[in-house]
Amino acid sequence: EPEVTQTPSHQVTQMGQEVILRCVPISNHLYFYWYRQILGQKVEFLVSFYNNEISEKSEIFDDQFSVERPDGSNFTLKIRSTKLEDSAMYFCASSNRVTGELFFGEGSRLTVL
Amino acid sequence: EDKVVQSPLSLVVHEGDTVTLNCSYEVTNFRSLLWYKQEKKAPTFLFMLTSSGIEKKSGRLSSILDKKELFSILNITATQTGDSAVYLCAVLSSNTGKLIFGQGTTLQVKP
Repeated sequence: EPEVTQTPSHQVTQMGQEVILRCVPISNHLYFYWYRQILGQKVEFLVSFYNNEISEKSEIFDDQFSVERPDGSNFTLKIRSTKLEDSAMYFCASSNRVTGELFFGEGSRLTVL
Repeated sequence: EDKVVQSPLSLVVHEGDTVTLNCSYEVTNFRSLLWYKQEKKAPTFLFMLTSSGIEKKSGRLSSILDKKELFSILNITATQTGDSAVYLCAVLSSNTGKLIFGQGTTLQVKP
């Protein structure tokens, strides 16, 4: 069964360092998303991406964040200078239509020290 | 501000019990409501509801949407320990596929 895959599963970094989280969406999907979940809190929307550009972004997704689809399969989230409050589980998701169900990856746990 | 509220926040039942999880929402540009099950990491898709009054069913799980009263319920009959998880309700809004999540209901099913 097709699935969304994410790497790394866990990353520990020092405050101020750059991190890149990687995702391989389901192959025929066209809509890509990043969400995050701080421990014990709701899953929060970060950004949606379609046709090689951002469709919508939340207030959380400030200038420190960027997304990219560098080739036909990967979808990345970059955090330029990590802060303690960026510690969270980051989920990538994809969908084959804008009104369709989203399928989530297993998540990348980011710990900022 | 868009919001999705789930109740109860947590629930402990015994195997064989039936449970009802609630989700109410206030969201502009409502497209559909989705239920996910989150066991350890990734939310896994259960149902997507778009029309009022049409029950969706999968095994022991079923769900229905009321667009007039702005809520949905998820029923689980004959619960099993494997049903223990966090159940997430989310509303698909706008034209960009953004999901707005509730805080989840933690269900624990005891043997």
